[in-house]
Amino acid sequence: KQEVTQIPAALSVPEGENLVLNCSFTDSAIYNLQWFRQDPGKGLTSLLLIQSSQREQTSGRLNASLDKSSGRSTLYIAASQPGDSATYLCAVRLGYSTLTFGKGTMLLVSP
Amino acid sequence: DTAVSQTPKYLVTQMGNDKSIKCEQNLGHDTMYWYKQDSKKFLKIMFSYNNKELIINETVPNRFSPKSPDKAHLNLHINSLELGDSAVYFCASSPLAGGGLGETQYFGPGTRLLVL
Repeated sequence: KQEVTQIPAALSVPEGENLVLNCSFTDSAIYNLQWFRQDPGKGLTSLLLIQSSQREQTSGRLNASLDKSSGRSTLYIAASQPGDSATYLCAVRLGYSTLTFGKGTMLLVSP
Repeated sequence: DTAVSQTPKYLVTQMGNDKSIKCEQNLGHDTMYWYKQDSKKFLKIMFSYNNKELIINETVPNRFSPKSPDKAHLNLHINSLELGDSAVYFCASSPLAGGGLGETQYFGPGTRLLVL
């Protein structure tokens, strides 16, 4: 059974810092991995999707990497801003099944 | 226009009642999902429908019955509500079902259910 773990559970940084969020999964036979952002009281917003054949994806200040063989992904946020404060969720997709989510990393960026 | 919408946004009800949550997507997607996020913020899949047909049904009590009148709608009916049903329920959609396809899932804003 696929398990997704995210470390750290919470992170607090001052504005401007670069930071890394970690995600690990137990079954490396994934089709893709997706990073989401969840704001308090709101739904999920997809940030980046990495296909199993890819090693990284970039969108603006965000860069996500994937090492399928070791079951790891990282989300790198450059020059963090207070508006980046949210919970970041990692999710993997196995074949015909739906997404399996981690519990998320709660990020707080202080001005 | 909201891509994936859910109603109601908040739902407070007594134990034992029956309630429904509605979901609509205007993205033309073929596949829709229901997820439950519990008090520990853990998101888990409940159901998945592809073109109005149930394709995934995780271990969910049969008090939960999804219904898809057309591929743009997926409603969730819950019978005999229990305290443990209190959670946030998210609807989502994606263009296609099946593995090997890199489609993104689009989530609704969630329905916050509180059972008293």
